Amino acid sequence: GQQLNQSPQSMFIQEGEDVSMNCTSSSIFNTWLWYKQDPGEGPVLLIALYKAGELTSNGRLTAQFGITRKDSFLNISASIPSDVGIYFCAGPLYGGATNKLIFGTGTLLAVQP
Amino acid sequence: NAGVTQTPKFRILKIGQSMTLQCTQDMNHNYMYWYRQDPGMGLKLIYYSVGAGITDKGEVPNGYNVSRSTTEDFPLRLELAAPSQTSVYFCASSSGTGVGYTFGSGTRLTVV
Repeated sequence: GQQLNQSPQSMFIQEGEDVSMNCTSSSIFNTWLWYKQDPGEGPVLLIALYKAGELTSNGRLTAQFGITRKDSFLNISASIPSDVGIYFCAGPLYGGATNKLIFGTGTLLAVQP
Repeated sequence: NAGVTQTPKFRILKIGQSMTLQCTQDMNHNYMYWYRQDPGMGLKLIYYSVGAGITDKGEVPNGYNVSRSTTEDFPLRLELAAPSQTSVYFCASSSGTGVGYTFGSGTRLTVV
């Protein structure tokens, strides 16, 4: 079945550092989504990508849709304490008609002030 | 401006008990979903619905049931609670295909 592997599993960084994480799939995706989950809350959509090679920014966050369509990358520049949380990638499960999403296992980000 | 509302936020069940996790959305979204999140793991799809009266199984449906009598509500039923169902449950909705979900804030369930 379809799987999404995220790396790294966790990151512990100093405030002000840049962060990079990635997500790889065992099959081709036509949509990549990146979510952030704050402690005790549900995930919130950060960035959506719809085209191979696409590069999209949302403030200090930049995400890219890999040209092979089997991977995606998320970068956070100049991290701040409120960036703490779990970051998930997601893509359509078994095609997109029902909009079912498969989620990666997440990257836990901790930022030291 | 409620979005997706889940109740209760926390619940402790004894093995064999049953309960219903409530989910309601006020955005007139046709698509609704139930996921569970185990510690250190991503979200696994339990059931989903593409409109009132239509439901289908996701990746991990065993031990759960759903119904969708209205566009707004999508309750999740646990009939015979088991320790393996200890998890955080998230309800989500979307307006169509190719778009992201709006999630509720979750229900933390412990079965003892």
